Amino acid sequence: AQSVTQLGSHVSVSEGALVLLRCNYSSSVPPYLFWYVQYPNQGLQLLLKYTSAATLVKGINGFEAEFKKSETSFHLTKPSAHMSDAAEYFCAVTTSIQGAQKLVFGQGTRLTINP
Amino acid sequence: ETGVTQSPTHLIKTRGQQVTLRCSSQSGHNTVSWYQQALGQGPQFIFQYYREEENGRGNFPPRFSGLQFPNYSSELNVNALELDDSALYLCASSFARGGYNEQFFGPGTRLTVL
Repeated sequence: AQSVTQLGSHVSVSEGALVLLRCNYSSSVPPYLFWYVQYPNQGLQLLLKYTSAATLVKGINGFEAEFKKSETSFHLTKPSAHMSDAAEYFCAVTTSIQGAQKLVFGQGTRLTINP
Repeated sequence: ETGVTQSPTHLIKTRGQQVTLRCSSQSGHNTVSWYQQALGQGPQFIFQYYREEENGRGNFPPRFSGLQFPNYSSELNVNALELDDSALYLCASSFARGGYNEQFFGPGTRLTVL
């Protein structure tokens, strides 16, 4: 069964510093992978997605992620953190259950930006 | 183009009661999925509806049920509410066309069970 593991439930960086959020996946088939962001009291917004095209995926708000099959990883990065990046981030993988295509999410990583 | 909307925004119920949550899918979408997000957790798949029929279910008991209407909007019903049902309930719509079908999420309904 497909699953994702997010390493670190809480990451804290200074404004202007590199953001690195880690995600490892487990999948028996070529996966579709996603990063979502959730701001307080809001739903999920798609940051970026990997659907078997380019392994380096660029998303919104300056984020990008690299699919590394050999490491089963899909880490999220941003070169320079901004205060507005403070939020909860979720890595997810698609899987099928009884014909339905569903998302399996990691536990989330809370990103804090220090001024 | 209207995005995914959910109602109500917040809801407070007591144990044993029943609740109905509503979701309007994005224009042109024919599939609705429901997720439960407990505090501090990632969302968990409850079930999916396609063409008014349940099309896959996660590890949730039968007291979680749903409907999809001809206009593709959907309801999530939870009977005999328990304290652990307190969570953010997210609806996501998509267009099923084979391959990867991107899901678009609504803002969620925050359910508190006392």
